[in-house]
Amino acid sequence: KQEVTQIPAALSVPEGENLVLNCSFTDSAIYNLQWFRQDPGKGLTSLLLIQSSQREQTSGRLNASLDKSSGRSTLYIAASQPGDSATYLCAVRSSSNTGKLIFGQGTTLQVKP
Amino acid sequence: DTEVTQTPKHLVMGMTNKKSLKCEQHMGHRAMYWYKQKAKKPPELMFVYSYEKLSINESVPSRFSPECPNSSLLNLHLHALQPEDSALYLCASSQAASGQQETQYFGPGTRLLVL
Repeated sequence: KQEVTQIPAALSVPEGENLVLNCSFTDSAIYNLQWFRQDPGKGLTSLLLIQSSQREQTSGRLNASLDKSSGRSTLYIAASQPGDSATYLCAVRSSSNTGKLIFGQGTTLQVKP
Repeated sequence: DTEVTQTPKHLVMGMTNKKSLKCEQHMGHRAMYWYKQKAKKPPELMFVYSYEKLSINESVPSRFSPECPNSSLLNLHLHALQPEDSALYLCASSQAASGQQETQYFGPGTRLLVL
């Protein structure tokens, strides 16, 4: 059974700092991995999707990497801003046919001005 | 346009009530999903519809009844719910349920409180 873990559960950094969020999964036979952002009480916003054949994806100040063999993904946020404060969730899709996502518990990020 | 809309935003219902949650997308997506999210927990999949047919039911109690009237709409009918069913209900859609590039797009959710 696929399990997804995110460390740390919470992170507080000063504005401008670069930071890394971690995601690990137990079964390396994944189809893709998606990073989401969730603001309190809101829905999820898709940030990046990495296919199983890819090593990384970039969007603006965000860079996500994937190492399937070690069961790890990282989300790198450059030059953090207070507006980046949110919960970041990684989700793994293990099956090609169902679309089912298995989520980690999330990392709650606070960027202080 | 990558918008998924959900109504209502908030819903309070008693355990004997019947209510429905609605989800709509106009992106031409053929896969739609219902997730349940409890406070401070990640979303958990409930149902998947692919080409308007139910393809996954994650052993959800029968008091939750999904319906996909057409490719743009997804409903979740609620009946005889329990207080522990109080949660944020999220709808999502993607081009298809299969395919490596299938990003799931989420709606803002309906916050449900069962009294």
